[in-house]
Amino acid sequence: DTAVSQTPKYLVTQMGNDKSIKCEQNLGHDTMYWYKQDSKKFLKIMFSYNNKELIINETVPNRFSPKSPDKAHLNLHINSLELGDSAVYFCASSRDPRVKTQYFGPGTRLLVL
Amino acid sequence: GNSVTQMEGPVTLSEEAFLTINCTYTATGYPSLFWYVQYPGEGLQLLLKATKADDKGSNKGFEATYRKETTSFHLEKGSVQVSDSAVYFCALSENFGNEKLTFGTGTRLTIIP
Repeated sequence: DTAVSQTPKYLVTQMGNDKSIKCEQNLGHDTMYWYKQDSKKFLKIMFSYNNKELIINETVPNRFSPKSPDKAHLNLHINSLELGDSAVYFCASSRDPRVKTQYFGPGTRLLVL
Repeated sequence: GNSVTQMEGPVTLSEEAFLTINCTYTATGYPSLFWYVQYPGEGLQLLLKATKADDKGSNKGFEATYRKETTSFHLEKGSVQVSDSAVYFCALSENFGNEKLTFGTGTRLTIIP
């Protein structure tokens, strides 16, 4: 049973395209996150949702738009992809925003050509 | 703002060697401290945590003690195994509100037989 799952695992696309990454958690958690990990392994939070409501929105280009249709899902849509968007994107969840133990998905490796 | 500084990697050790990975932090309040581990091709997993000064977190033979006086949370293990090869991330989070996890840059550890 996968606790936090992401699809796709790999995504190769051309500059200028629009793509989405999906995340689902079956832990019954209220809070979900998106992180970006660059080629040097630096990990930075992008967004956080609690009960489908946006609670953390770091300085991320408007081309990135998260969507949470329900508590168990947090998707990330990226418009007009750029070379610099190439990274590994991790989804994570926690029981609520005050609980700092987060459970991470396996990551989506995005390569923009 | 909050920040986490980890020793630069990569770190290469022989099996059964003693491991220390240094981590120091800067925070405005009294944060919780975490070590996460990322095995090759996987997402991050919580390794251990400590929520207040002088607490010791431990798991799988790893230990780290929350030292407020030196603002440190160094990770140690007495005898490493090849299976410990991974990237280790130190992180902190303030103990109020929806404060996010702030990660260090990660330390890649390779254990050779």
